[in-house]
Amino acid sequence: AQSVTQPDIHITVSEGASLELRCNYSYGATPYLFWYVQSPGQGLQLLLKYFSGDTLVQGIKGFEAEFKRSQSSFNLRKPSVHWSDAAEYFCAVEPRYGSSNTGKLIFGQGTTLQVKP
Amino acid sequence: SAVISQKPSRDICQRGTSLTIQCQVDSQVTMMFWYRQQPGQSLTLIATANQGSEATYESGFVIDKFPISRPNLTFSTLTVSNMSPEDSSIYLCSVTGYNEQFFGPGTRLTVL
Repeated sequence: AQSVTQPDIHITVSEGASLELRCNYSYGATPYLFWYVQSPGQGLQLLLKYFSGDTLVQGIKGFEAEFKRSQSSFNLRKPSVHWSDAAEYFCAVEPRYGSSNTGKLIFGQGTTLQVKP
Repeated sequence: SAVISQKPSRDICQRGTSLTIQCQVDSQVTMMFWYRQQPGQSLTLIATANQGSEATYESGFVIDKFPISRPNLTFSTLTVSNMSPEDSSIYLCSVTGYNEQFFGPGTRLTVL
């Protein structure tokens, strides 16, 4: 069955430190891959997405993610974390059937990021 | 991008009652989706709502509990029927467009 795993439930980093959030997926082919952020009381915001091509994708708010097919991973990174980055981060995959996308997302469990001053 | 609004934004309901959540999109879309986010949990897809056909439900979700309407290409409703405290969740509407999924702000439901 298709699944998404975010091994880290909770991460705490100091402001200005680098960040890496892990995401592994289980799927027979390369799905579409996404990272979303959900701030307290806010909706989901798309940070970045990967469909094909360059395996290093740039997103909003200074985030980037690297797709590694051999590891079935799509880890999110940021060189220097800001206090406003404290939020819940979700990795998601969209299964594909042939050349068609389904529009359905399978989400990981989420990682809560806490930023220390 | 697609702008999605949901009504109500939150509600507190008594067990055994039903609540209908509305989702309005500012553009015509083919596929609309309903997700549930239980407290402290991730999002789980409930069903896909396509205009002109019955909704398609994911495993673990049934039409009698979560009836869905899709009368046109910009609007959908999700009803949570015969509610119990376990239905306390955030319910989110989503649409696909521009190779991206857009989410509504969610409806926070508390069942007492």
